[in-house]
Amino acid sequence: KQEVTQIPAALSVPEGENLVLNCSFTDSAIYNLQWFRQDPGKGLTSLLLIQSSQREQTSGRLNASLDKSSGRSTLYIAASQPGDSATYLCAVRPRYGNKLVFGAGTILRVKS
Amino acid sequence: GAVVSQHPSRVICKSGTSVKIECRSLDFQATTMFWYRQFPKKSLMLMATSNEGSKATYEQGVEKDKFLINHASLTLSTLTVTSAHPEDSSFYICSARGLVDMSDTQYFGPGTRLTVL
Repeated sequence: KQEVTQIPAALSVPEGENLVLNCSFTDSAIYNLQWFRQDPGKGLTSLLLIQSSQREQTSGRLNASLDKSSGRSTLYIAASQPGDSATYLCAVRPRYGNKLVFGAGTILRVKS
Repeated sequence: GAVVSQHPSRVICKSGTSVKIECRSLDFQATTMFWYRQFPKKSLMLMATSNEGSKATYEQGVEKDKFLINHASLTLSTLTVTSAHPEDSSFYICSARGLVDMSDTQYFGPGTRLTVL
């Protein structure tokens, strides 16, 4: 059974810092991995999707990497801003399955 | 990116009544739609998966007669909470997946806050 773990559970950093959020999964047979952002009381916003054949994806200040063999993904946020404060969720879609398996999320607070 | 809308965003109802929540994919055809429930400070719990024109597949422990799901078209799915009770109060989020920009991204709606009095 696929399990997804996110570390740390919460993170507080000063504005301008570069930071890394970690996601690990137990079964390397994945179809893709997706990073989401959720603001309080809101739905999820898709940030980046990495296919199983890819190593990384970039969008603006965000870079997500995928190491399937070790069961890890990282989300790198450059030059963090207070507006980046949110919960970040990692989700894996198994290779033979239709359902995303979510991690518990990392609550990020960027202080101005 | 693609947009998924939900309506209503917030609903308050009396115990025993039924509530319908709509989920629409606005600019793409959603071959599969998902309904999630989220408790405060928790991650999402998948309730059911539905494909257009077929019956929904419910997760273990989710009552199909209580949470009625209809996926009538490639752009619309509805979740009806029947005979709602206070314990059904929660944040319900729908999600849609279709071929958008040649990727298989799953897009989420903004959520519906249900409060049952």
